[in-house]
Amino acid sequence: GQNIDQPTEMTATEGAIVQINCTYQTSGFNGLFWYQQHAGEAPTFLSYNVLDGLEEKGRFSSFLSRSKGYSYLLLKELQMKDSASYLCAGSDRGSTLGRLYFGRGTQLTVWP
Amino acid sequence: DAGVTQSPTHLIKTRGQQVTLRCSPKSGHDTVSWYQQALGQGPQFIFQYYEEEERQRGNFPDRFSGHQFPNYSSELNVNALLLGDSALYLCASSRGQQNEKLFFGSGTQLSVL
Repeated sequence: GQNIDQPTEMTATEGAIVQINCTYQTSGFNGLFWYQQHAGEAPTFLSYNVLDGLEEKGRFSSFLSRSKGYSYLLLKELQMKDSASYLCAGSDRGSTLGRLYFGRGTQLTVWP
Repeated sequence: DAGVTQSPTHLIKTRGQQVTLRCSPKSGHDTVSWYQQALGQGPQFIFQYYEEEERQRGNFPDRFSGHQFPNYSSELNVNALLLGDSALYLCASSRGQQNEKLFFGSGTQLSVL
């Protein structure tokens, strides 16, 4: 497994920037995923990092440091609809596709 | 293009009963993975099916079994239900042996009383 660790809850205000951190076990690590999950809905894919560095997709960016076992998801210009659980998940080098190790999720609440 | 579809959306069972959950993968996908998500937790990998065979299994007892059909759809069966089996069961599909993004269904909420 990847022993994924991320904060349980975070709050921020509309228009602000928030960074959600995630740490993982580096042994056997392959890649790092971020998913967004609204209450009662399916998790939806946000990003996938394999190489070190920052990847930007509109208001969302994801960063990975393989040597430090660390990733973060950066959300800019927060909107009320961004209130959701953000799941960090890792994949193993030895695993077949589809097996991800998820953290507990970070529940983000955006206030007006 | 339909995404991943799961049925039923909600289910209530009593301890000791058996349940079957169903999943149709996204069009063009041939691999199905099942996850269990307890309240306030992240999804936990149950098993994965590819070419109608179980390819990998997580830390779940034999009470959890599955099947994949020639049209790539899949079933998850749970026998001798326990209260602790109450959770959201998510199906995820992908294509081939590539560990890229999974597409998740909306899940089946199972309550065991």
